[in-house]
Amino acid sequence: QQPVQSPQAVILREGEDAVINCSSSKALYSVHWYRQKHGEAPVFLMILLKGGEQKGHDKISASFNEKKQQSSLYLTASQLSYSGTYFCGTGVFGNEKLTFGTGTRLTIIP
Amino acid sequence: DSGVTQTPKHLITATGQRVTLRCSPRSGDLSVYWYQQSLDQGLQFLIQYYNGEERAKGNILERFSAQQFPDLHSELNLSSLELGDSALYFCASSVVGNQVNEQFFGPGTRLTVL
Repeated sequence: QQPVQSPQAVILREGEDAVINCSSSKALYSVHWYRQKHGEAPVFLMILLKGGEQKGHDKISASFNEKKQQSSLYLTASQLSYSGTYFCGTGVFGNEKLTFGTGTRLTIIP
Repeated sequence: DSGVTQTPKHLITATGQRVTLRCSPRSGDLSVYWYQQSLDQGLQFLIQYYNGEERAKGNILERFSAQQFPDLHSELNLSSLELGDSALYFCASSVVGNQVNEQFFGPGTRLTVL
């Protein structure tokens, strides 16, 4: 079953913060985050694993709540380059494939 | 540039036809994944190969098939094409074939079925 992402779309001004959520009905082992700009390939951001630490680099970080089967992606002081559609991909133990969510479209305006 | 190459970039064909999409993974990556992305939709996993063998299967239609060759490149064959098969088809690769490794996506092949 496909993970649910929220919000579906968000518009922010440059410098504002954003939170994108990813929820699954299954017990998760991993959560991947990717960003895709229109007409381009998805680009890897980070992976979070069950029992692992919260990840982050630069002004983008993510957390994984194993009990709630949820992950959140945090973008602080957003830049114009952050615009795009963000996808979470979830994996369950024993199954190597990822199931991607429907995406969150983030638009950053000056 | 992810290092994953896909050809062709664009493909326009008619209903009922058959096409082959090609993917070359990053150097050193053993696993190849195929995804379908319809207009403004998410990524639908089709199939995964690891070192020449099928590893996982998603919602891949019987009209579609894939294989990975000894040099690790992969081909996705789509036959008896229908209008609804029009989509972006992405190939991704990873070092090994499990979910703890990041996937690197190629630029995609845009298929238009008329």
